[in-house]
Amino acid sequence: QVQLVESGGGLVRPGGSLTLSCKVSGFTFEDYYMTWMRQAPGKGLEWVSYIDKTDGTTYYAESVKGRFTISRDNAKNSMFLQMKNLRAEDTAMYFCARARWKRDFDFWGQGTLVAVSS
Amino acid sequence: DIQMTQSPSSVSASVGDRVTITCRASRGINGWLAWYQQKPGTAPKLLIHAASTLQSGVPSRFSGSGSWADFNLTISSLQPEDFATYYCQQTNSFPLTFGGGTKVEIK
Repeated sequence: QVQLVESGGGLVRPGGSLTLSCKVSGFTFEDYYMTWMRQAPGKGLEWVSYIDKTDGTTYYAESVKGRFTISRDNAKNSMFLQMKNLRAEDTAMYFCARARWKRDFDFWGQGTLVAVSS
Repeated sequence: DIQMTQSPSSVSASVGDRVTITCRASRGINGWLAWYQQKPGTAPKLLIHAASTLQSGVPSRFSGSGSWADFNLTISSLQPEDFATYYCQQTNSFPLTFGGGTKVEIK
């Protein structure tokens, strides 16, 4: 069955860095577009970043552009989110998700929590 | 950016009720809209894509309608497992954006 498992979250100080991983199984990873979403405590969903399946083209929310980098390793069935210069407002549950076709998302991981605090 | 406005932000309803949630885009999105259901402590679940296409495995009491910029999600007969928060998301263009959510609560 399709599974997505995030890891790498934790507590980090403002200005710090963290790299999240999303390990997938149960489908041919290289055939799918992928994304990262986040949800601050008690708040709604926010799209963070997206990576194309073919040419690796990437897209970012304005709030993370220049600080976050999305990447994928098809050989390892994994996607990553490198986060730098973290801010308190980046505190959230981060979910990876698989695009059903292009930009709606049919399978999600359980999330990994990132807390930015001094 | 395309802003997505959902209403109401919350609704109280009873089992068996018909519930309709509205989502309005700040400009036309050509029917490129998805609906998700999220229960506390869990990841969102895709219910509907392309405004009205039911995702595989989703009960037929859920339906989506609308075009251009105005969309609805309807639950024809609310079941106990449907109490959750619902989000719309435009899939037309980047940056992808979500509505603020509608919490369906037990009356």
